[in-house]
Amino acid sequence: GAGVSQTPSNKVTEKGKYVELRCDPISGHTALYWYRQSLGQGPEFLIYFQGTGAADDSGLPNDRFFAVRPEGSVSTLKIQRTERGDSAVYLCASSSQGNEQFFGPGTRLTVL
Amino acid sequence: QQQVKQSPQSLIVQKGGISIINCAYENTAFDYFPWYQQFPGKGPALLIAIRPDVSEKKEGRFTISFNKSAKQFSLHIMDSQPGDSATYFCAASMEGAQKLVFGQGTRLTINP
Repeated sequence: GAGVSQTPSNKVTEKGKYVELRCDPISGHTALYWYRQSLGQGPEFLIYFQGTGAADDSGLPNDRFFAVRPEGSVSTLKIQRTERGDSAVYLCASSSQGNEQFFGPGTRLTVL
Repeated sequence: QQQVKQSPQSLIVQKGGISIINCAYENTAFDYFPWYQQFPGKGPALLIAIRPDVSEKKEGRFTISFNKSAKQFSLHIMDSQPGDSATYFCAASMEGAQKLVFGQGTRLTINP
């Protein structure tokens, strides 16, 4: 079956603009995660959804970052007033009942 | 506070040799320890994972060794091949579908 998909694969924006990044999890997976990976670093946790609700948003760096999952499937990560420091690869992962998380290819965000 | 420390940062191994990557963790509540493999431009892919009730798990050429008292675990790649050249990340999480805490990564190069 299909894996986790993310769109767009690349996004270039200007400082101060608003961006939305989309994640389509593996069908039937109830848990969805967003991570951010800076160049040469390991992924860092941002937020975790169980169904439609955010079970843990402790990794969101500030209130410019927000994520939703209104129907318990597709999720959108929203970043307001982007800054150059937001440039990174944003990864989405999904899992079923257990711990195994399956990652998508990521969205490379570049803020000019 | 970095909760999972990974070493070395980079590793060069000859084809057919054994690649060894080490990780140490601090939080004794962690009970799930996966290793991920990441190729350039791709998302991390789950390679193998272990729980603290066993000291070793082997899948093909990949083995995880786990030392609960030392709070350390390692990945061994036997008969390393050029196709194994990638960045490897260890990670840890707690019971249930919880966020992963990643190490800094090891860039592995297998020379032919």
